[in-house]
Amino acid sequence: GQNIDQPTEMTATEGAIVQINCTYQTSGFNGLFWYQQHAGEAPTFLSYNVLDGLEEKGRFSSFLSRSKGYSYLLLKELQMKDSASYLCAVRWSGAGSYQLTFGKGTKLSVIP
Amino acid sequence: DSGVTQTPKHLITATGQRVTLRCSPRSGDLSVYWYQQSLDQGLQFLIHYYNGEERAKGNILERFSAQQFPDLHSELNLSSLELGDSALYFCASSSLGGGASDTQYFGPGTRLTVL
Repeated sequence: GQNIDQPTEMTATEGAIVQINCTYQTSGFNGLFWYQQHAGEAPTFLSYNVLDGLEEKGRFSSFLSRSKGYSYLLLKELQMKDSASYLCAVRWSGAGSYQLTFGKGTKLSVIP
Repeated sequence: DSGVTQTPKHLITATGQRVTLRCSPRSGDLSVYWYQQSLDQGLQFLIHYYNGEERAKGNILERFSAQQFPDLHSELNLSSLELGDSALYFCASSSLGGGASDTQYFGPGTRLTVL
């Protein structure tokens, strides 16, 4: 089976940096995704890692260590609009197909 | 706007009833995925169709079924509805069959309330 852990909630201050961690255990690992989801809205794609290392995209960066089953999403220069849930999702392959399994999400609150 | 459309936006129905949710993928995308999101469970994968054929099944109940039509739109049918089926149902699409850097883009969802 697939198991993904991420903190339930985090709070950070506007303008600061926050790191959201995700650990996973999976067989057939084929990539890790981060999505942002505002309450009641659709998840929106943020980043994708399949090789170890850091991927940077503007204020958002994502890191992956496959040997440790670990990823983090780094958000810099936090803005109030960054208050949302952040979902870590692992893609795995099995029985000739690929599936995404999502963590339960980390609810980030950005305070002034 | 992801380019994925879902109808209806909201649906309120009674226990025991049957409903159909509709999804149109982004232009050119061949894969459609269905997910259920309830407050305590997070996003749960239900089923994946690729170019009209079922590719993978997740935690989909036998009361639920789906299909993808030749024009690539998809429908999710939920029958004998129970109170616990109340949730947000999302459809996502991707251009390929799910491997490599294939990314899923989500529609706005259908909020189903079973009374």
